[in-house]
Amino acid sequence: AQSVTQLGSHVSVSEGALVLLRCNYSSSVPPYLFWYVQYPNQGLQLLLKYTTGATLVKGINGFEAEFKKSETSFHLTKPSAHMSDAAEYFCAVNYGGSQGNLIFGKGTKLSVKP
Amino acid sequence: GAVVSQHPSWVICKSGTSVKIECRSLDFQATTMFWYRQFPKQSLMLMATSNEGSKATYEQGVEKDKFLINHASLTLSTLTVTSAHPEDSSFYICSARDLRSGTPGAEAFFGQGTRLTVV
Repeated sequence: AQSVTQLGSHVSVSEGALVLLRCNYSSSVPPYLFWYVQYPNQGLQLLLKYTTGATLVKGINGFEAEFKKSETSFHLTKPSAHMSDAAEYFCAVNYGGSQGNLIFGKGTKLSVKP
Repeated sequence: GAVVSQHPSWVICKSGTSVKIECRSLDFQATTMFWYRQFPKQSLMLMATSNEGSKATYEQGVEKDKFLINHASLTLSTLTVTSAHPEDSSFYICSARDLRSGTPGAEAFFGQGTRLTVV
């Protein structure tokens, strides 16, 4: 079955440090890839997405992600963490089905220490 | 980006009663809407997919008679939790996409979520 794996349910970094959240998908056919952020008791907000073209994608709030087909990965990074980045992050994929459903990873909670 | 409005943001109801949650696309026509359920500290679990003007498609294990979905217009879908019980307490989130563009990579827009507590 197609799936999305986020390594690490909880990541903690210091303010100003590099943020790296990992995401791997299971398919030989590259899907469409998304990163969403969720703040407590709120819906999901799109950070960035990869569909086609350039494999390094820049999103909002200084985040970026690189699609690596050979590694079936789409890791999310930010050079310098800010306290306001503390949230839950979800990687999601769409394999292009007619219903357009997104398959979500289990999420990674990011904590930022002062 | 497009806006999806979900209402109410939280609701407390008595066991045995029904609760309706609304999901509206405010500035685009949502041909397809998705309803998710999220348990504490867990990911989103797709409950059902609704297409405007047709019956919803439910995921395995989701009781369609308990979770009634209506997608009567291109801007409104509703989820009704019938005869609610405490185990139905959860965070419910709707999502909408306009798939008429034919772009599978089109992002999904999410509502703010509804925190349901059944007492």
